Amino acid sequence: KAGVTQTPRYLIKTRGQQVTLSCSPISGHRSVSWYQQTPGQGLQFLFEYFSETQRNKGNFPGRFSGRQFSNSRSEMNVSTLELGDSALYLCASSLETSGPYNEQFFGPGTRLTVL
Amino acid sequence: DAKTTQPNSMESNEEEPVHLPCNHSTISGTDYIHWYRQLPSQGPEYVIHGLTSNVNNRMASLAIAEDRKSSTLILHRATLRDAAVYYCILREVGRQLTFGSGTQLTVLP
Repeated sequence: KAGVTQTPRYLIKTRGQQVTLSCSPISGHRSVSWYQQTPGQGLQFLFEYFSETQRNKGNFPGRFSGRQFSNSRSEMNVSTLELGDSALYLCASSLETSGPYNEQFFGPGTRLTVL
Repeated sequence: DAKTTQPNSMESNEEEPVHLPCNHSTISGTDYIHWYRQLPSQGPEYVIHGLTSNVNNRMASLAIAEDRKSSTLILHRATLRDAAVYYCILREVGRQLTFGSGTQLTVLP
């Protein structure tokens, strides 16, 4: 069974640009969550989607947005990039919603560098 | 979200057991205790989870205190591949994973 895939793996952008990251969950998984990982702040939750609906949202500005398609694939978008957005963006999928017993499977991440 | 407290780092010798502690004194009755680990240059991976009783799986064991205010992740025989950051997470019903700073485990050959 294929794992969670994220594209692209590496990305370099300049300040002010926007970026779209893609995540394909494990087949059959309907929940997709996004996390940002930086050395200073660690792993922080961005948002979670289930059946094309945003179910939970972290404490990030509106420049960060996401969506989920009918095939459960998800994208996240960051507009007006800032230097502080440089991070590893991780996607995780699970079978159902964020119940406490659902194991999340993480992808390898997209390394975004903002210059 | 209820918080967890873990040591910043721990060392272990290869092939010896490792006990990774986690304190969660403000745990609520419906919080599940989850452990994930993150190997270098990889996304986190699930290790184990439990609610009240001790749990075992092929990767590790989870020992939960009777009052649930602390727990211990046990790796029975550490290998070099177990070197990672281990995160102890309390997960509320319907909520996302909230990662702390975790414990950096170093395994010495």
